[in-house]
Amino acid sequence: KQEVTQIPAALSVPEGENLVLNCSFTDSAIYNLQWFRQDPGKGLTSLLLIQSSQREQTSGRLNASLDKSSGRSTLYIAASQPGDSATYLCAVRQGGSEKLVFGKGTKLTVNP
Amino acid sequence: DTAVSQTPKYLVTQMGNDKSIKCEQNLGHDTMYWYKQDSKKFLKIMFSYNNKELIINETVPNRFSPKSPDKAHLNLHINSLELGDSAVYFCASSQDIGGSREQFFGPGTRLTVL
Repeated sequence: KQEVTQIPAALSVPEGENLVLNCSFTDSAIYNLQWFRQDPGKGLTSLLLIQSSQREQTSGRLNASLDKSSGRSTLYIAASQPGDSATYLCAVRQGGSEKLVFGKGTKLTVNP
Repeated sequence: DTAVSQTPKYLVTQMGNDKSIKCEQNLGHDTMYWYKQDSKKFLKIMFSYNNKELIINETVPNRFSPKSPDKAHLNLHINSLELGDSAVYFCASSQDIGGSREQFFGPGTRLTVL
């Protein structure tokens, strides 16, 4: 059974810092991995999708990496801003399955 | 706007009532989902439909019945609501055949059962 773990559960940083959010999964037979952002009381916004054959994806100040064999992904946020404050969720899609298995998220606070 | 939309955004009801949540996507996707986010913010799949056919049913009580009238709509009907059904319900969609399978989520429906 796939399990997804995100560390840390919460993170508070000053504005301008570069930071890394971690995601690990127990079953490496994944189809893809998605990073989402969730603002309080809002839905999920897809940030980056990494297919199992890829090593990383970049979008603006965000870079996500995937090491499938070790069951790890990282989300790197460069030059953090207060507007980046949100909960970041990692989710993996198992090969041969339609469902996403989510981690419990990392709540990020960027202080001005 | 191209998106996944849900109605209503908020739903407050009494225990024992029956209610429905509607979901529509205009992204042309072939697969739709319902997820439940509990009070601890943990998201878990409930159902998945591909081209109107049920693909996933994740140990959800029979009181929950999804209905897909066409591939752009997936509605969720809940009978005999219980206190434990209070949660945020998210609809999502993706293009699975010939697509990236990236899932896009609706804004959520916050259900409160009193």
